[in-house]
Amino acid sequence: GAVVSQHPSWVICKSGTSVKIECRSLDFQATTMFWYRQFPKQSLMLMATSNEGSKATYEQGVEKDKFLINHASLTLSTLTVTSAHPEDSSFYICSPSGGAADTQYFGPGTRLTVL
Amino acid sequence: QKEVEQDPGPLSVPEGAIVSLNCTYSNSAFQYFMWYRQYSRKGPELLMYTYSSGNKEDGRFTAQVDKSSKYISLFIRDSQPSDSATYLCAMSAMDSSYKLIFGSGTRLLVRP
Repeated sequence: GAVVSQHPSWVICKSGTSVKIECRSLDFQATTMFWYRQFPKQSLMLMATSNEGSKATYEQGVEKDKFLINHASLTLSTLTVTSAHPEDSSFYICSPSGGAADTQYFGPGTRLTVL
Repeated sequence: QKEVEQDPGPLSVPEGAIVSLNCTYSNSAFQYFMWYRQYSRKGPELLMYTYSSGNKEDGRFTAQVDKSSKYISLFIRDSQPSDSATYLCAMSAMDSSYKLIFGSGTRLLVRP
């Protein structure tokens, strides 16, 4: 499988601050990037889908102004949680895709804790 | 009703047992079926990928898809303590940009 990194792996921040999470696909070019959120003991919920150089498409119920996604290159995407609140505390996982069902890979995840 | 249903477990088995994990789904458009393994606080890791119906075997793992019953299974033979993890089924349709719909995950514990 592909090598995917996420940074930071864990972040604690105060309520009201913004947090940026980076996702890099190190050995392949991701034409599509999926961002997921996972609450404790729950499954992955898709937040948004972005194609390189295009605006992201957000799933129903996900605030696009709160979760800013940038997919500026085929190897880098960022998710910025703006004005984070305690209810945004979750495990955020990026999933770069080469454009087919069997070429979706997952990053190691970023644990966000908002105090 | 969720599109993909999966028993959350936990499922506890002795080392060496055969493990059977299952998911059911409601969307007949799903054609791609995946099983992922997720260790605590890690991202999912692809175990098995199957297109349409049939069986697929890879080492100790066998994936089965029965589209007529909308039912998929993952079998783990000779289970090991290192297999203890959460197993997620996921599926997608060709016309959905391969967006994955995940089951809730089954926690598996293999006792030494």
